[in-house]
Amino acid sequence: DGGITQSPKYLFRKEGQNVTLSCEQNLNHDAMYWYRQDPGQGLRLIYYSQIVNDFQKGDIAEGYSVSREKKESFPLTVTSAQKNPTAFYLCASSVTRANYGYTFGSGTRLTVV
Amino acid sequence: AQSVTQPDIHITVSEGASLELRCNYSYGATPYLFWYVQSPGQGLQLLLKYFSGDTLVQGIKGFEAEFKRSQSSFNLRKPSVHWSDAAEYFCAVDPTGTNAGKSTFGDGTTLTVKP
Repeated sequence: DGGITQSPKYLFRKEGQNVTLSCEQNLNHDAMYWYRQDPGQGLRLIYYSQIVNDFQKGDIAEGYSVSREKKESFPLTVTSAQKNPTAFYLCASSVTRANYGYTFGSGTRLTVV
Repeated sequence: AQSVTQPDIHITVSEGASLELRCNYSYGATPYLFWYVQSPGQGLQLLLKYFSGDTLVQGIKGFEAEFKRSQSSFNLRKPSVHWSDAAEYFCAVDPTGTNAGKSTFGDGTTLTVKP
């Protein structure tokens, strides 16, 4: 079945560490997105990519970095510059730049220890 | 920039009762509009979407939504709620034109279903 796979499901980060969250899709979608979700809040856009080798900052990009070297993959690195990284991270994709609705992964819960 | 407001943080309905979840948006033109559902600890699933045309759209799981341009609203409805509908529901707006593809989400409405 086609879909989006996020790994790991749970991730623990020590202070000062960089961690990378994986997002892989086999839907042949052009566009991919990273959102952050905090309790009681909606989703906030971190980064998005609408074509391979190109990506743009979203509303809360500080302290995060991404790459899009392959159409199927859009990893997110949470750097030590992100002061409050504990959150639920969701990866999504859509068919094209013109959004027909997102397909979401099942999320990664990141906790700072 | 677009924005979305879901006025109800939490709604409780009895099983079998009807449901309406409210969504108001702010955008200069007619945007693309979506409703998603999220179970605890999971990703979101697309319920339905509106692009243009018929203002009443049907979705999965027996949900429907009505676009009202005059009220800038896109409310989600279901005639008879099932216990399995208990979840968090998000409305989202996506601009058209050069900014297309960047959805803005509301803060969500949590639905509790009483037996």
